[in-house]
Amino acid sequence: DTGVSQNPRHKITKRGQNVTFRCDPISEHNRLYWYRQTLGQGPEFLTYFQNEAQLEKSRLLSDRFSAERPKGSFSTLEIQRTEQGDSAMYLCASSLEGQETQYFGPGTRLLVL
Amino acid sequence: LAKTTQPISMDSYEGQEVNITCSHNNIATNDYITWYQQFPSQGPRFIIQGYKTKVTNEVASLFIPADRKSSTLSLPRVSLSDTAVYYCLVGASEGYQKVTFGTGTKLQVIP
Repeated sequence: DTGVSQNPRHKITKRGQNVTFRCDPISEHNRLYWYRQTLGQGPEFLTYFQNEAQLEKSRLLSDRFSAERPKGSFSTLEIQRTEQGDSAMYLCASSLEGQETQYFGPGTRLLVL
Repeated sequence: LAKTTQPISMDSYEGQEVNITCSHNNIATNDYITWYQQFPSQGPRFIIQGYKTKVTNEVASLFIPADRKSSTLSLPRVSLSDTAVYYCLVGASEGYQKVTFGTGTKLQVIP
């Protein structure tokens, strides 16, 4: 399968713990996006990378959130000191510069107890 | 970013054609219209994209009138597996898209 993959698919954690999610985009895609989706809502943009550069961050991305894409391939999203309000589906998408259709991964569902 | 408005939900019987209309009154000249489908616990899946008139692929058709202030996604002969949420998005085709998803249209296909 050459689509976008995300790991883990599910994560349950206790409030205050740190969690890290991984996204592997489609191999030739140089643009990568992170979104958050809560129940009954559409995905909300969090941040965007072009190659290894993080070019935009939403105000939704508080200082407890950090995203990296060190080699311009896979990306990680870390949430420090998780709160119950962080419970959501975290989606990753990738696209190829010049062909802006975004291809989404299956998401990581986070539950903070 | 142009805001979009869609019906919250729709019901349809199997085998019928379903048309979901999206309003985007302040669409910009270089904006494209894109539709995504999302099943529960999955990421959104690209369905179709267009700029004007009509676009058709193996899954759906997209109708865009001359003023481009609305668009209609047409799903021919829906089946139970088409039950999903459908999102209409508007954004430039060039440059990255900080796409804004609305709440989408929840389509329920009834046997």
